[in-house]
Amino acid sequence: AQSVTQLDSQVPVFEEAPVELRCNYSSSVSVYLFWYVQYPNQGLQLLLKYLSGSTLVKGINGFEAEFNKSQTSFHLRKPSVHISDTAEYFCAVRGAGNMLTFGGGTRLMVKP
Amino acid sequence: EAQVTQNPRYLITVTGKKLTVTCSQNMNHEYMSWYRQDPGLGLRQIYYSMNVEVTDKGDVPEGYKVSRKEKRNFPLILESPSPNQTSLYFCASSLIQGGDTQYFGPGTRLTVL
Repeated sequence: AQSVTQLDSQVPVFEEAPVELRCNYSSSVSVYLFWYVQYPNQGLQLLLKYLSGSTLVKGINGFEAEFNKSQTSFHLRKPSVHISDTAEYFCAVRGAGNMLTFGGGTRLMVKP
Repeated sequence: EAQVTQNPRYLITVTGKKLTVTCSQNMNHEYMSWYRQDPGLGLRQIYYSMNVEVTDKGDVPEGYKVSRKEKRNFPLILESPSPNQTSLYFCASSLIQGGDTQYFGPGTRLTVL
């Protein structure tokens, strides 16, 4: 079985400050890792994904994430956030089989 | 425009009254899936389908049924809804499983009284 833990349910941050949203996973097999974003009253859209190769993955809107196999982590970062980044962010993992498992989500609140 | 559509977007119903939430995609995707989203629990997979007539249970299938008679459609059926099925539901699709990006519908907010 696989699982995903997002360590922070809410992250408040001031505009233009850096942010890191943490994600840890457990799986007995190699995994694919994803970050999705959900803006208010909308569905989810993909920010970035790790399939293989370079452990630093760049996504849309200036976000990036680093896959760390030894620590089973896939933390999401942005060097300078904007008000428009206010949203809920979900880390997800797909291992063996066809199920995509999501974490509980982190609400990023960017303050002016 | 490539998209996943769901209907209805909002639904209030009563316990025991059968309902169907429709999902359709226009991207010729093989893989389709249903999730429910509850505060603090993230998204949990209800059912998924790898192709026409091929469906399988996800993490929380109890109380739900699905069918995949056509590639583009994947309806979610609640035969006898109960209040604990009050939730936000999302349909998603992708080309194949594995590393493919899933495309999500706009969501259906269901309230069961």
